[in-house]
Amino acid sequence: SYVLAQPPSVSVAPGSTARITCGGTNLGGESVHWYQQKAGQAPLLVIYYDTDRPSGIPERFSGSNSGNTATLTISRVEAGDEADYFCQVWDSSNDHYVFGTGTKVTVL
Amino acid sequence: EVQLVESGGGLVQPGGSLRLSCSGDGFTFSNYAMHWVRQTPGWGLEYVSGISSFGNSTYADSVKGRFIISRDNSKNTLNLQMTSLRPADTAIYYCVKCPHGDCYYFDYWGQGTLVTVSS
Repeated sequence: SYVLAQPPSVSVAPGSTARITCGGTNLGGESVHWYQQKAGQAPLLVIYYDTDRPSGIPERFSGSNSGNTATLTISRVEAGDEADYFCQVWDSSNDHYVFGTGTKVTVL
Repeated sequence: EVQLVESGGGLVQPGGSLRLSCSGDGFTFSNYAMHWVRQTPGWGLEYVSGISSFGNSTYADSVKGRFIISRDNSKNTLNLQMTSLRPADTAIYYCVKCPHGDCYYFDYWGQGTLVTVSS
């Protein structure tokens, strides 16, 4: 089945930019969705269909997807952005939802 | 405001059974496909099962034949009957909602209910 690879961790200073990657074969041909999960909380949708933001999600969160890599970008990082981030696709070949391995973002 | 509240988790012995429920509020429950996703510390997020607004169900290979998903639209409730439970089924189980139309992602998640399979 489809495999989505994410770096285990990303560290970033407050006010800088965090980039979280999600890798998969020909991922650019799929729609990628991103979830934020803070400690002890349920996941929260932050990006859908590669680039769209749900209402209430700050413009600092943006997404892109091309080739074999999708990227979630968090601009002007704040302490409150510290969380695990997961990418997700619908694997039409197997009729399954597939999640990435998750990336822990630490704000220094 | 959309709310999803899971219940029914707990400690069960291997081979045992458990029934999870999810109560939905703040939206017209019968109009939306609903799913279960689980999370384990070592394996991250894993899709478990889903049911369309019409009642068509899907299952991950890892639970097929052991879990049954159902819904009661009159009570705005989603259920997951789990049998022949294994230690590998130990996880937090989340009830998740699909957006209107085709379901390629999940727009709302419940807080989850913990299932522990252990002797």
